[in-house]
Amino acid sequence: QQKVQQSPESLTVSEGAMASLNCTFSDRSSDNFRWYRQHSGKGLEVLVSIFSDGEKEEGSFTAHLNRASLHVFLHIREPQPSDSALYLCAVSMENNNAPRFGAGTKLSVKP
Amino acid sequence: DPKIIQKPKYLVAVTGSEKILICEQYLGHNAMYWYRQSAKKPLEFMFSYSYQKLMDNQTASSRFQPQSSKKNHLDLQITALKPDDSATYFCASSQDPGREQYFGPGTRLTVL
Repeated sequence: QQKVQQSPESLTVSEGAMASLNCTFSDRSSDNFRWYRQHSGKGLEVLVSIFSDGEKEEGSFTAHLNRASLHVFLHIREPQPSDSALYLCAVSMENNNAPRFGAGTKLSVKP
Repeated sequence: DPKIIQKPKYLVAVTGSEKILICEQYLGHNAMYWYRQSAKKPLEFMFSYSYQKLMDNQTASSRFQPQSSKKNHLDLQITALKPDDSATYFCASSQDPGREQYFGPGTRLTVL
């Protein structure tokens, strides 16, 4: 059974400072990785998807995948207070059914 | 216009009662899912359907029964409700299993 863990549990950064979030997974066969954002009381919005080792950039969000070390990172460049939210990592295999989610990192961006 | 509709947005029920959570997607997707999120637990996968057939079930209790009357509908029937069932229930869909998921706004269920 796939296990997805995220760290840190919470993170506070100043506006404009880089924020880095970590996600580890247990199944080396995984090949679909996505980062989602959830503002308080809202649904999930997809930020970036990555399917092979290396980096993938979408706006101010960059995902970095290293399957050998079972890690996928999310870097947020110049975060704004509006980026304060819960960030969720989702891991799956393309032929598998549903992604499994980590518990999330709660990001707070201070002005 | 919202592409994934969940009804109702808020729902209050008494212990022992039965409720149905509605989900409709207008994205033309073939796969649909239910997830649950509470203060005690992170986002938890419950069910997945593809072309109206059950693909995966990670919910131990038979009190939770998905119902798919149409390809773009996946409702969730919950019977014999318990206070521990209180959570926000999210419906999601994807073009096919394993592809990028899109989430609905959720139904927040409170069981008294």
